Amino acid sequence: EPEVTQTPSHQVTQMGQEVILRCVPISNHLYFYWYRQILGQKVEFLVSFYNNEISEKSEIFDDQFSVERPDGSNFTLKIRSTKLEDSAMYFCASSVGQTGEQFFGPGTRLTVL
Amino acid sequence: AQKVTQAQTEISVVEKEDVTLDCVYETRDTTYYLFWYKQPPSGELVFLIRRNSFDEQNEISGRYSWNFQKSTSSFNFTITASQVVDSAVYFCALRRYQGGSEKLVFGKGTKLTVNP
Repeated sequence: EPEVTQTPSHQVTQMGQEVILRCVPISNHLYFYWYRQILGQKVEFLVSFYNNEISEKSEIFDDQFSVERPDGSNFTLKIRSTKLEDSAMYFCASSVGQTGEQFFGPGTRLTVL
Repeated sequence: AQKVTQAQTEISVVEKEDVTLDCVYETRDTTYYLFWYKQPPSGELVFLIRRNSFDEQNEISGRYSWNFQKSTSSFNFTITASQVVDSAVYFCALRRYQGGSEKLVFGKGTKLTVNP
């Protein structure tokens, strides 16, 4: 059964460093998303991406964040200068269409020290 | 604005008990989608169900059933004869049916513990 994959599963970084979180969406899906979940809290939307551009972003997704689909399979989230409050689980998701169910990857736990 | 409220923070039951997880939502849209996701201790988010707002028929899938009541803006989830493997955090989510916004708006989740 096709699934969304994410790497790494856990990333530890120093405050101020850049990190890139990687995702491989399900192959026939066209819409891609990033969400984050601070420990013990609810899942929050960051950004959606379609046709090689951002279609929607939340207020959390400021200039420190960027997304890219560098090739036909990967979808990345970059945080340019990490802050302590960026520590969270980051989930990638994908869907076939705009209104289809979103399937989530296993998440990347980001720890900023 | 869209909002999802899961008033039950934690529920603890004994195996084989039935348990209902409540979800109340707010939206100005007349059509929308509702979802339930399961987050087991391993951390991934597992899709359980999607409902359209114009389809109020309740759904049953094995031990799981969902009760959608548009009149009370609720989309409750019942697990019948609970099992230890049902222990997880369950999230209810809302999404616009159409019109530009694809984001899921999640509730804060209900942590279900099923004890043997």
